[in-house]
Amino acid sequence: DQQVKQNSPSLSVQEGRISILNCDYTNSMFDYFLWYKKYPAEGPTFLISISSIKDKNEDGRFTVFLNKSAKHLSLHIVPSQPGDSAVYFCAATYSGAGSYQLTFGKGTKLSVIP
Amino acid sequence: EAQVTQNPRYLITVTGKKLTVTCSQNMNHEYMSWYRQDPGLGLRQIYYSMNVEVTDKGDVPEGYKVSRKEKRNFPLILESPSPNQTSLYFCASTGSPNEKLFFGSGTQLSVL
Repeated sequence: DQQVKQNSPSLSVQEGRISILNCDYTNSMFDYFLWYKKYPAEGPTFLISISSIKDKNEDGRFTVFLNKSAKHLSLHIVPSQPGDSAVYFCAATYSGAGSYQLTFGKGTKLSVIP
Repeated sequence: EAQVTQNPRYLITVTGKKLTVTCSQNMNHEYMSWYRQDPGLGLRQIYYSMNVEVTDKGDVPEGYKVSRKEKRNFPLILESPSPNQTSLYFCASTGSPNEKLFFGSGTQLSVL
């Protein structure tokens, strides 16, 4: 049973437009969510996170929204740039476990077209 | 520079030939773990270690062994590799549950 789901394997967006990457989770115990970004031939790197006590967190062009009732989160990138082309992994965990016990989604490959 | 170093980056081997993928971190992190990434399956945890001589199974431990004799090193051992272990492997570490996970650059393993 997949507890963190990224249902879109890929997404293409024009440069300058908004990219929206979606993630759903099934485990109600999860209360902390992260996005990792991965370029080819590199390991994943942390991008942005959100705690369940918030419904939005911003960091520059990146914003993560959390809808707890729907068990859904999304990553918005505005404006999208070609350098944002990468695979994005959604991850979830719960209080106390933190980075020690991350459950990852399958990833969404974002392509930003110049 | 803070980093997690894996070796080798690429490895081609044959079924049954024992191999070790090394992982070393220079951040004095207590926690280290191994993940595998497969198309359509995302990142799955193989084993993790909370400290020296403390290791435990992740979600997909079958066919793998690990050891943690020193804080900085966490090698992944495949004693009898099989083709279904062909995958991209990542080592990761962190200093605490509240800190982000640092990943190595990956090891692409092909078992023929």
